[in-house]
Amino acid sequence: NAGVMQNPRHLVRRRGQEARLRCSPMKGHSHVYWYRQLPEEGLKFMVYLQKENIIDESGMPKERFSAEFPKEGPSILRIQQVVRGDSAAYFCASSQDRGSYEQYFGPGTRLTVT
Amino acid sequence: GDSVTQMEGPVTLSEEAFLTINCTYTATGYPSLFWYVQYPGEGLQLLLKATKADDKGSNKGFEATYRKETTSFHLEKGSVQVSDSAVYFCALSRNAGNNRKLIWGLGTSLAVNP
Repeated sequence: NAGVMQNPRHLVRRRGQEARLRCSPMKGHSHVYWYRQLPEEGLKFMVYLQKENIIDESGMPKERFSAEFPKEGPSILRIQQVVRGDSAAYFCASSQDRGSYEQYFGPGTRLTVT
Repeated sequence: GDSVTQMEGPVTLSEEAFLTINCTYTATGYPSLFWYVQYPGEGLQLLLKATKADDKGSNKGFEATYRKETTSFHLEKGSVQVSDSAVYFCALSRNAGNNRKLIWGLGTSLAVNP
């Protein structure tokens, strides 16, 4: 059973460009979570999605950031007009619909803004 | 709001030494508590968990007990190995309704020398 997959693993963008980060949950998981790990800071929750629905976006910056989890295909975290402060590791996790709700993490996407 | 506090690192130990990494939390009610481990260049792996007071989570020789009276979830291992070198994160989650986000400590870096 494949784990959570994220791509790309490394992404370099110039200031002002757009970044698209993809996450494919584990088989049988319908819940996806995005977290950001900034240098010298801890992990911070960004958004929680189910298929076609945003459940909790309390951690998402109000501007430039958006997330989706369509009926078909991976979840996408999109950052428009990136700035240097967006440089971070972005982790995706997934969980089952019921049961223990344990979150299983992907390897992360390391975004560097130059 | 909810929060997690971990002891600051880095922690450096010799192989076969005893390990304790302190973790305390602030939350109302009974959150679920977790320890995750992050090996260099990799994502986060769930190490162990506890979902109610006095539960003991254990895995790979690591243990942690959910102490409601002291709001603590300290991680211990009797004899560390070089392969345990990693960053350890304590986290909590309410896992109630739509509130499933993980709230993280800042992480504690562990280096084990042969």
